[in-house]
Amino acid sequence: DGGITQSPKYLFRKEGQNVTLSCEQNLNHDAMYWYRQDPGQGLRLIYYSQIVNDFQKGDIAEGYSVSREKKESFPLTVTSAQKNPTAFYLCASSPSIQGQQFFGPGTRLTVL
Amino acid sequence: AQSVTQPDIHITVSEGASLELRCNYSYGATPYLFWYVQSPGQGLQLLLKYFSGDTLVQGIKGFEAEFKRSQSSFNLRKPSVHWSDAAEYFCAVGAGTNAGKSTFGDGTTLTVKP
Repeated sequence: DGGITQSPKYLFRKEGQNVTLSCEQNLNHDAMYWYRQDPGQGLRLIYYSQIVNDFQKGDIAEGYSVSREKKESFPLTVTSAQKNPTAFYLCASSPSIQGQQFFGPGTRLTVL
Repeated sequence: AQSVTQPDIHITVSEGASLELRCNYSYGATPYLFWYVQSPGQGLQLLLKYFSGDTLVQGIKGFEAEFKRSQSSFNLRKPSVHWSDAAEYFCAVGAGTNAGKSTFGDGTTLTVKP
């Protein structure tokens, strides 16, 4: 099956720890994205990547980091510098920067 | 930069009634427009999209949307709502070379009464 996978679905971490969220796609899409979603709010763009080995900051990049070493993978690290990391994180990909986006099922991160 | 507004935070309709969810965008040229649906705790699924051509766009699950340039709107409609349509709906706008870097509205939560 083609699609986007995010793992794990639920993640718990202690305050002050870095944590990495996984996002993998087998759609052969060039562009990938990370969004954060808080209750009652829309999607806020954290980082996006149009091509391997290149990525740009979105609207709320502070406290996050990404890498794009392979076309199919775009992991997101939530660092201890992120003041309010508890949220629902969505990964997406698109065939090109102009295409529709395909979303993964999301990871709910809770920092205790 | 483009922006999108969904004026209704929450809408409740009875099952079988018609539905219209509003979306207004801001962009100087012809935008790329999308509607997505999200069930609780899930990712987003594309309902329909408009890039060019016919301004009335048909999507999945019986949804349609109409692009009205004069009103900067892209409202989502469904003639008869089913209980399974209860979800959150997001309008998104993309533009030009950054069309894939969509800007999302804050969403409209749809509740369906039996």
